[in-house]
Amino acid sequence: AQTVTQSQPEMSVQEAETVTLSCTYDTSENNYYLFWYKQPPSRQMILVIRQEAYKQQNATENRFSVNFQKAAKSFSLKISDSQLGDTAMYFCAFMPTRTDKLIFGTGTRLQVFP
Amino acid sequence: KAGVTQTPRYLIKTRGQQVTLSCSPISGHRSVSWYQQTPGQGLQFLFEYFSETQRNKGNFPGRFSGRQFSNSRSEMNVSTLELGDSALYLCASSLGGTGGVYGYTFGSGTRLTVV
Repeated sequence: AQTVTQSQPEMSVQEAETVTLSCTYDTSENNYYLFWYKQPPSRQMILVIRQEAYKQQNATENRFSVNFQKAAKSFSLKISDSQLGDTAMYFCAFMPTRTDKLIFGTGTRLQVFP
Repeated sequence: KAGVTQTPRYLIKTRGQQVTLSCSPISGHRSVSWYQQTPGQGLQFLFEYFSETQRNKGNFPGRFSGRQFSNSRSEMNVSTLELGDSALYLCASSLGGTGGVYGYTFGSGTRLTVV
């Protein structure tokens, strides 16, 4: 079975600081995509960053970057210069390329304090 | 450019009733997926449609069904509602091919409460 594990139910960080959210996954697939989604109180899931498993280079989107370790099946998200608007639930997700089915972790609730 | 639109935003139904939820994808998107989000089970995949055909299905009972129209709009139906069906139902759309290439864009969901 394919699973995604987020071991940190809650995290907090002070504004302007850096925080890292952890994610590990279990799969026998070789080709897949990994995602981080953000869900603020508005409920809409917002794509933060994506990574193709065949790419060794870690994805970066402005203040957001990932540390992708394929052999360790680890996909952590680093948020630099945290802002109050980053407060949200963050979900790590996995998708084998042969399906269009996202498998989500249980989420990490991030609180950014002023 | 309009996002993914889900209607209604909130819905209250009685056990045993049936319900239909609607999703209008981003213009040009041909793939639509549905997810159920509950505090206990988290986010779970229901099904995915592409060009009016169901391509993938999750592990939900037959009471959960869906369809996609020629304009890519999608509906999901839940019959004989149970208390455990109370959840946030999220719809997501993608250009097609594979959602992994472009990522899925989600709507704000329909909050269904079964009483």
